[in-house]
Formats: sequence, C-alpha cells, structure tokens
Amino acid sequence: ELKVEQNPLFLSMQEGKNYTIYCNYSTTSDRLYWYRQDPGKSLESLFVLLSNGAVKQEGRLMASLDTKARLSTLHITAAVHDLSATYFCAVLSPPRYALNFGKGTSLLVTP
Amino acid sequence: DTGVSQNPRHKITKRGQNVTFRCDPISEHNRLYWYRQTLGQGPEFLTYFQNEAQLEKSRLLSDRFSAERPKGSFSTLEIQRTEQGDSAMYLCASSLASSSNYGYTFGSGTRLTVV
Repeated sequence: ELKVEQNPLFLSMQEGKNYTIYCNYSTTSDRLYWYRQDPGKSLESLFVLLSNGAVKQEGRLMASLDTKARLSTLHITAAVHDLSATYFCAVLSPPRYALNFGKGTSLLVTP
Repeated sequence: DTGVSQNPRHKITKRGQNVTFRCDPISEHNRLYWYRQTLGQGPEFLTYFQNEAQLEKSRLLSDRFSAERPKGSFSTLEIQRTEQGDSAMYLCASSLASSSNYGYTFGSGTRLTVV
C-alpha cells in the first residue's frame, strides 16, 4: 500500500523567513501533486511534478521531485501571511488513478 | 465551464437517514473521483469512474455507500443509514485521461454533519 508522509505537520514561521516542507512516499511513482487548502475550502492545485528532477516555481513557492529518493520538497521563500494554509502532497501510483494524500502541513505565517 | 460543482454545500442529517450528494465535473473530463476528508486529515480515496464505469472502489466504501455516474457526466454519492462517523467533507474531483498535465480539479465539497 502506498504511504505518503509529510513533515512537519505543523509549521509556524515568521514573515520573511524561508522553510521547506518534505513529502516522502513509499512506492515507485513519477507523478506528484501539491495542493493548498484554506480552512473550510476545497483543494487548490499548486504544482504537478511529472518526472525525476522536475522543479516548478510559482511566486514564493518552489516544488521539486526526486523519484529515486521518493522525496518531494515544497520550499517557501520569504514567507508572507497570505501563504498561511494547509499544504498537501499527493502521489499517484499507476496503474491506479487514485491520488494518495499525505496528512498535510498546516502552515501559519506570523508577523 | 466553471469547474467542478458539488451540491449541496452543507448537509445536516439525523443518524439513520439517507443522504445523496451530486457532483458535476468539468464537462470534457472523463474521469471522476470521490474522496472523503475528515478534520485534520488528508483526503481519502473512495471511488473512481471512467465515463460511466465504476473502475475502482476503496475498502472505505462500505455497503452503505453507493456511487453512480449513469451517463458518464454527473455523479451521485448516496449514503444509507448514516452514522456519526460519516460526518466529513466529501470531495469530488475530475480529470481528463488524455491530458498532458494530468491535473485533477477538485470541487468545493459537501460537508456532511450527522447528528
């Protein structure tokens, strides 16, 4: 069974600081997703990483994928309050089409 | 097309009652998924359709749960004899099998509270 682990699960950081969220998964996969969820809301797609070594950046967020290490990272640069949310990674393990989610990282950015 | 639409947004029901939720996917998406999310957890897969065929069901989907996608467009998820443990956010997602970005688009969800 595919397991997806995120750490940390809770993260409080000051505005302007940098930090990295880690996502480890247990079986072979070459497709990894990052989502953002605000309280009471649905999931907003951030990144889809499709191959080993893939790196994508959007604003203050950068995601990368190392399929050999079965590890993805979500790096936050110069955090701002608007980034406060829960971030999920999800992994696809073909031939199944169901996404397997981590428990999420609850991020709070404080002044 | 405004994305994946789910109705109702909220549902409060008494234990033992039946409830039905509806999901309208993005019109050209041929794959449709149901997930359940409880407080503080990531979404958990329930079931998946390709067109009208239900191709996979999680063991989380007990006999009280049934999902349909009769014409390969909208889908319904019914829960019979609801229990307090069924209280959760039920999320629907859709995707296009041939899409090069392999994106999954989620709806806003239906929040079920069983009292």
